[in-house]
Amino acid sequence: DGGITQSPKYLFRKEGQNVTLSCEQNLNHDAMYWYRQDPGQGLRLIYYSQIVNDFQKGDIAEGYSVSREKKESFPLTVTSAQKNPTAFYLCASSAPGQRETQYFGPGTRLLVL
Amino acid sequence: QKEVEQDPGPLSVPEGAIVSLNCTYSNSAFQYFMWYRQYSRKGPELLMYTYSSGNKEDGRFTAQVDKSSKYISLFIRDSQPSDSATYLCAMSAGGGYQKVTFGTGTKLQVIP
Repeated sequence: DGGITQSPKYLFRKEGQNVTLSCEQNLNHDAMYWYRQDPGQGLRLIYYSQIVNDFQKGDIAEGYSVSREKKESFPLTVTSAQKNPTAFYLCASSAPGQRETQYFGPGTRLLVL
Repeated sequence: QKEVEQDPGPLSVPEGAIVSLNCTYSNSAFQYFMWYRQYSRKGPELLMYTYSSGNKEDGRFTAQVDKSSKYISLFIRDSQPSDSATYLCAMSAGGGYQKVTFGTGTKLQVIP
């Protein structure tokens, strides 16, 4: 089955700790995205990557970092600089020429201890 | 003012009703319009994709775009309890990478 997987489903972060969220896709999509979803707010773009070894900041990149070493993988690190990390994090991907139609993974819920 | 406005609901309807979900937007450059369905604690699922103005039908779902009024709609006919979810509208200007802007979502509950 083709799709996007995210792990873990739930993640707990202690103060001052960096945590990494995993996102893998086997759709052969070149573009991948990270969004943050908070209650009452639309999806907000954190980072996106159109090709391997290249990525750009979205609207709310502060306190986050990413890497894109492989086409299939786009991990997101929530650093200790992100003071309000509690949210639902969604990874998405899209095919060339179809940037508007993004396909989402199941999400990771990050909670702060 | 937000670029995309969507009533958060909740919207409660009896099973079998016709549901109308709507979004308004302010950016006249938007050309691509999408509707996503999101079940609780799950990722959004792409339901409908429309380019420019007009209607698109897929089974019980119809997407309608009125660019002159900057207004898009999603109609659900013969609504089912399994349609209970949050519906997100999304839109983009297109052209290379263009950001997709999402609405905040409307929560729908279909009561058996």
